[in-house]
Amino acid sequence: AQSVAQPEDQVNVAEGNPLTVKCTYSVSGNPYLFWYVQYPNRGLQFLLKYITGDNLVKGSYGFEAEFNKSQTSFHLKKPSALVSDSALYFCAVRDEGATNKLIFGTGTLLAVQP
Amino acid sequence: DTAVSQTPKYLVTQMGNDKSIKCEQNLGHDTMYWYKQDSKKFLKIMFSYNNKELIINETVPNRFSPKSPDKAHLNLHINSLELGDSAVYFCASSLGDTQYFGPGTRLTVL
Repeated sequence: AQSVAQPEDQVNVAEGNPLTVKCTYSVSGNPYLFWYVQYPNRGLQFLLKYITGDNLVKGSYGFEAEFNKSQTSFHLKKPSALVSDSALYFCAVRDEGATNKLIFGTGTLLAVQP
Repeated sequence: DTAVSQTPKYLVTQMGNDKSIKCEQNLGHDTMYWYKQDSKKFLKIMFSYNNKELIINETVPNRFSPKSPDKAHLNLHINSLELGDSAVYFCASSLGDTQYFGPGTRLTVL
């Protein structure tokens, strides 16, 4: 069965420093991978997705993610963190059996200190 | 001009009551979803409709009944509410792979 894992419950980074939020996946075929962000008391917002093509995917708010097939990873990155990036980040994979279904990771809380 | 909207935003009710949450999207999407986010922020799909037809029905108590009067609306009715139903419920819609979420409805069952 497909799954994604977010090994870190929380990531702390200082403002201006680069950030990485980790995600690994498990699928039998080609993965369709997504990152969403949830600000406090808000719904999830789409950041970016990998379907095929270039392994480096650029998304909203300066975020990017690198698809690595050999390591089955899809880590979210940003060169310079902002305090306003502090939020809950979810990695997700599309279910291979039901193409409208997303399977979400457990979420990683990003805390950016000023 | 909110893309995916839900009402109400907050819902506080007693055990045993019946309640409904409404969702509307103005994006012209064909597919709509209901998700439940528990107190640990774990997010799980409950239902999905495509053009008013149920296409995903996860293992959810039959006290939960979705209804899609048209492809822009997907409502969720919950009968005989239990304490464990307390959560944030999110509606979403999609046209293709990307899903767009509503602001959520925080349900508290006392």
